[in-house]
Amino acid sequence: EPEVTQTPSHQVTQMGQEVILRCVPISNHLYFYWYRQILGQKVEFLVSFYNNEISEKSEIFDDQFSVERPDGSNFTLKIRSTKLEDSAMYFCASGTDPYTEAFFGQGTRLTVV
Amino acid sequence: GESVGLHLPTLSVQEGDNSIINCAYSNSASDYFIWYKQESGKGPQFIIDIRSNMDKRQGQRVTVLLNKTVKHLSLQIAATQPGDSAVYFCAERDDKIIFGKGTRLHILP
Repeated sequence: EPEVTQTPSHQVTQMGQEVILRCVPISNHLYFYWYRQILGQKVEFLVSFYNNEISEKSEIFDDQFSVERPDGSNFTLKIRSTKLEDSAMYFCASGTDPYTEAFFGQGTRLTVV
Repeated sequence: GESVGLHLPTLSVQEGDNSIINCAYSNSASDYFIWYKQESGKGPQFIIDIRSNMDKRQGQRVTVLLNKTVKHLSLQIAATQPGDSAVYFCAERDDKIIFGKGTRLHILP
């Protein structure tokens, strides 16, 4: 069964460093998303991406964040200068359209120290 | 503000019994809802969805009910098993998915 894959599964970084979280969406999907989940809290929307541009972003997705689809298979989230409060699980999701089910990856646990 | 939410943070159910997890939403224009299951350390897993033109939808051991009058939906799990232990989120989708806070389901032996 096709699935969304994310790498790495766990990333530890020092405050102020840049990190890139990687995702390979399901191959025929066109809509891509990043979410984050701080430990014990709900899953929060960060950004949606379609047709090589951002469709929508939340207040969390400030200038420190960027997304890119550098080739036909990868979808990345970059945090330019990490802060302690960026520590969370980051989930990538993809879907064929905006109005049916979306599938999530297993997440990358980001720990900023 | 948040448009979907769950009534209870934790639900404990005897193994073999039926589980009912409730959710309320505030946006009467919402027309597509999804239930996700999240096991510890994993991503949200799609369980079942329902559109606003339906009142009920059934899957394997799961049923979702939608009451548009009171803006309420529920997830029913029949014959709850240990593998059902997880956090369950109701979510609304209009392109992006808006998650509620989640209910943790505990299965008692």
